[in-house]
Formats: sequence, C-alpha cells, structure tokens
Amino acid sequence: EAQVTQNPRYLITVTGKKLTVTCSQNMNHEYMSWYRQDPGLGLRQIYYSMNVEVTDKGDVPEGYKVSRKEKRNFPLILESPSPNQTSLYFCASSLLAGAGNQPQHFGDGTRLSIL
Amino acid sequence: AQSVTQLGSHVSVSEGALVLLRCNYSSSVPPYLFWYVQYPNQGLQLLLKYTTGATLVKGINGFEAEFKKSETSFHLTKPSAHMSDAAEYFCAVSEVRFGNEKLTFGTGTRLTIIP
Repeated sequence: EAQVTQNPRYLITVTGKKLTVTCSQNMNHEYMSWYRQDPGLGLRQIYYSMNVEVTDKGDVPEGYKVSRKEKRNFPLILESPSPNQTSLYFCASSLLAGAGNQPQHFGDGTRLSIL
Repeated sequence: AQSVTQLGSHVSVSEGALVLLRCNYSSSVPPYLFWYVQYPNQGLQLLLKYTTGATLVKGINGFEAEFKKSETSFHLTKPSAHMSDAAEYFCAVSEVRFGNEKLTFGTGTRLTIIP
C-alpha cells in the first residue's frame, strides 16, 4: 500500500531534550516536505527536499533540522525543543519536485507536546 | 506570495442538505488548487484538484468544486451531506519556486453534520 509513515504518532517530552520524528514513503517520490499545523493558522511549511541531499527552508524553519540521506526517508530533528514547538506535524511527499500540479500524500501526523 | 482564505471556520448542515465550503485565493500566476479533508487523528486526504482544463472538477465522496478565475474562488460543494462527511476541510494553492512546490493552506473549515 502506498503510504507516508510517521513515527511516533504522539510524543510528550521536555524542553531541551533532542528528538527526531521519522518520515518514510514507499512511493519512490522525489519531493518531501514537513508542515506544522496550529489552530487558526492552518498548515505551514517547515522544510522541504527536492531529492537526496537537497533540502531547504520553508516558511517556519527556526528550531528545526532535516536530512535526506535516502530517497525514502526525511526525518525532522528538534535539537533543543521548546514549548512553542508544541504542534501537530505532517510529512508529505509527491512524485516529482517542482511540478506543482500533483497531489501531495500526507502522513497521519505526529502530535508533539513540549513541556 | 499566494494566499488562501476560507470563509467560516465552522459550518453546520443538516444531513441531506447542500454542503458549501468557501475558498478564495490570491495568486500571481495561474493557480493549482486543491481541497483536502482531515478526519480526526488522520492525515490530509486529497478530495480534488484543479490544474488546467475543465473548471468544474469532481472528487471523491461526491464532492466537486468550481474554479472561477474572475472571482478568484474555488468553492467546494456536495449536493447531499452524509454523517460521514463530518471532518475538517482545507483549501490549498500550490506555489512552485526553485523546485519547492509549497502548499499554502487556508485555516480550515470544520464541517458538522446535524442528524
């Protein structure tokens, strides 16, 4: 089954404790992206990747890192989480980078609570 | 920069009644437009998209949307609401810059179906 898989689905942690949210897709997609969803703000892009070893900042990258060492994986790293990073996070992927007209496939989300 | 406005953060309709969710966008180039649905504890699922061609697009679960360039609108409709349609709906416009096909989302409309 074609899917984007995120782990963990839920995490409660404390300020400053490094964490990684994994994202994996099995569709051989070039393009992957991370969004955060906050009430009243919709979804905002954090980082994106057009292919292996090609990543760049989205609209709200502060406090986050990413890597793309393999095509299928695109982890989101919070090196020193803070309470303002409490949010619902989504990973998305699409077949080709830069096409714009193709649907993006979303994972089921990761709900992070930073205390 | 592109933007999306969804009028009405909450919409309630009776079962069997018409569903109308409003979306207006701004874009400096011909837009690619999407509607996504989010069920509780799930990721975003594509309902339908407009890229080029026919301005009335049909999606899954009986939904359709009409692209109206003169009104910069892309409203979502369904003739007869079902209880299973209760969810949050997001309108989005795709913006491609330097290979980044970022989705700019509206703030969402929560649809409640009254039995």
